[in-house]
Amino acid sequence: GENVEQHPSTLSVQEGDSAVIKCTYSDSASNYFPWYKQELGKGPQLIIDIRSNVGEKKDQRIAVTLNKTAKHFSLHITETQPEDSAVYFCAATSPRTDKLIFGTGTRLQVFP
Amino acid sequence: KAGVTQTPRYLIKTRGQQVTLSCSPISGHRSVSWYQQTPGQGLQFLFEYFSETQRNKGNFPGRFSGRQFSNSRSEMNVSTLELGDSALYLCASSLTGINTEAFFGQGTRLTVV
Repeated sequence: GENVEQHPSTLSVQEGDSAVIKCTYSDSASNYFPWYKQELGKGPQLIIDIRSNVGEKKDQRIAVTLNKTAKHFSLHITETQPEDSAVYFCAATSPRTDKLIFGTGTRLQVFP
Repeated sequence: KAGVTQTPRYLIKTRGQQVTLSCSPISGHRSVSWYQQTPGQGLQFLFEYFSETQRNKGNFPGRFSGRQFSNSRSEMNVSTLELGDSALYLCASSLTGINTEAFFGQGTRLTVV
């Protein structure tokens, strides 16, 4: 079945530095890739998404890139702030399965 | 615009009991999906309902079931609870389905003792 791998599992950065989280998917038919941020005690919050007909998308300090050939997609956060500290999940969905398959999550810690 | 509302937020149940969780999606959204989140297994898809019909199902036993009402509100039921059912249960609503933006509620934390 479809699988999404996410790395790293934990990431610590200094405030103001950049953070990059990478995901790999297995189903070449996957066409929608959302990223979620989950803070303690809350549900996942959609922060950015990308579709397979686009290679990159930006929203202020957040960007996502997609390499369909390699089946990789990445989340880039620039100028990190302490409030960016959370668990981040990537996900992928395919018309074949119509299910949102999540990566295992990355715990990001931003130190002041 | 109100977000996704899940009730109750916390539940403690005994093994063998059954439980019903509720999810009210964002107004206008017709798709509701349910997920189980545990530290060991991460976020796992349970099922999706669209216009009162189950459209997709994950790999969970038949003890897990759900339904959707005409106003798009959804409930999930777990019968004969086991200790391993302890988890955060999340629902997500979207306009038409999983390939569109999905917005999650805060979840129901179920503890089975």
